[in-house]
Amino acid sequence: NAGVTQTPKFQVLKTGQSMTLQCAQDMNHEYMSWYRQDPGMGLRLIHYSVGAGITDQGEVPNGYNVSRSTTEDFPLRLLSAAPSQTSVYFCASSYSFREKLFFGSGTQLSVL
Amino acid sequence: KNQVEQSPQSLIILEGKNCTLQCNYTVSPFSNLRWYKQDTGRGPVSLTIMTFSENTKSNGRYTATLDADTKQSSLHITASQLSDSASYICVVSPGWDNDMRFGAGTRLTVKP
Repeated sequence: NAGVTQTPKFQVLKTGQSMTLQCAQDMNHEYMSWYRQDPGMGLRLIHYSVGAGITDQGEVPNGYNVSRSTTEDFPLRLLSAAPSQTSVYFCASSYSFREKLFFGSGTQLSVL
Repeated sequence: KNQVEQSPQSLIILEGKNCTLQCNYTVSPFSNLRWYKQDTGRGPVSLTIMTFSENTKSNGRYTATLDADTKQSSLHITASQLSDSASYICVVSPGWDNDMRFGAGTRLTVKP
């Protein structure tokens, strides 16, 4: 049972490049979400999904896009990377948003 | 303005000692409060979840308390171990849709 798997672990981008952060879970969780963690701040919600085909914006959605075609996968796309998107990104899943979240190990992204 | 404030920002204790971490929140209404442990370079891991009707919950050497009237929670760690060195994050939910507010965390270092 792998839990929540995020890839890649590290990524360096140039300003303006696009990329996709991958997130997969094998616990049959309906709820999945993406967060960014910046120094001295709490995690902030980017986007979330309550099931396949359903996504919604969180607190800081600008510059990011998501889709949920299957229960297992919830990729996060950076459309045109900016230095302000340098951060550590976490994917999480749970049976519902009221249940405990299971987090992936994170992706450290640097935008130059 | 962050609606979840944690104190202290950092704490150093000796192995075997007890410690208490604080979480004050202004989120209202209130549904549940969670404590997570985050090891360096890893995703957060759930320790406890308490609803407004619960005032204490334990998970091994970790005991969380909640006073919904004063909007305060604490996490008490008993007989600390080196492996307790981590950041501890308080998360408060008002209960509707997906709204969770994360504190910035307390960085705990346990020294031998």
